[in-house]
Amino acid sequence: DVKVTQSSRYLVKRTGEKVFLECVQDMDHENMFWYRQDPGLGLRLIYFSYDVKMKEKGDIPEGYSVSREKKERFSLILESASTNQTSMYLCASSLLRAQNTEAFFGQGTRLTVV
Amino acid sequence: DQQVKQNSPSLSVQEGRISILNCDYTNSMFDYFLWYKKYPAEGPTFLISISSIKDKNEDGRFTVFLNKSAKHLSLHIVPSQPGDSAVYFCAASMKTSYDKVIFGPGTSLSVIP
Repeated sequence: DVKVTQSSRYLVKRTGEKVFLECVQDMDHENMFWYRQDPGLGLRLIYFSYDVKMKEKGDIPEGYSVSREKKERFSLILESASTNQTSMYLCASSLLRAQNTEAFFGQGTRLTVV
Repeated sequence: DQQVKQNSPSLSVQEGRISILNCDYTNSMFDYFLWYKKYPAEGPTFLISISSIKDKNEDGRFTVFLNKSAKHLSLHIVPSQPGDSAVYFCAASMKTSYDKVIFGPGTSLSVIP
C-alpha cells in the first residue's frame, strides 16, 4: 500500500521558533510537494522538488525553506515561525512529468503558532 | 488571483440524489484536470481525472464533464451516499508543468441520510 507519512499530526510552536516538518514516501516518486490548506483558499503550493537537492518555489514560499537530501524524504522548514503560519500542512508525492499521474498525500500536520 | 475556482463553498444533497460540484478555471493552458476528496483529519485522495482531449470521464458513481469553451468542469455523483460527505477539490495542470498542480478552494459536500 502506497504511503506518504508526515512526522507529526499536531504541533504547537512559539513565535520565532524554527520548525521542521518531515515527510517520507515509500513509492520511489521523483516529485514531492508541500502545501498548506486554509479555509476558503484550498491547497496552496509552498515548495516542490523533482529530484534530490532540487527545489522550486511554489505560490507562497515566503517564510519557508525546504530540504531534500534523500529521494524519499522532503522537509519543510519555518525559519522563524509566525502566527500567520498557523495552518494545516500537507505533503504529497507523485511521479515525474507524467500527465495522468495523481499525487498521494500524507495525513497532514496541524501547526499552531502561539 | 485564483486560477481554479469553486464558487460553492458548500452543498447539501439528499441521499440517493445527484450531487453536482462545479469548477471554473481561467488559464486556457490547463489541459489536465483532477478531483480530490478530503475527509477531516486526512490527506486528500485522488478521485477522478480528465484530459482536455475528452469531454467526459466516468468511474462508477463518479462522472466528470469538461466544457473547454466555457472553461468549466463538473463532478457528478450518482447516487449520492452519506459516505460521500467530504470536501472536494478541483485541480488543474498544464503540459508545460504537469508536476505543478493548481487546486481550487474546495466544496464541502454533505449527503443527508
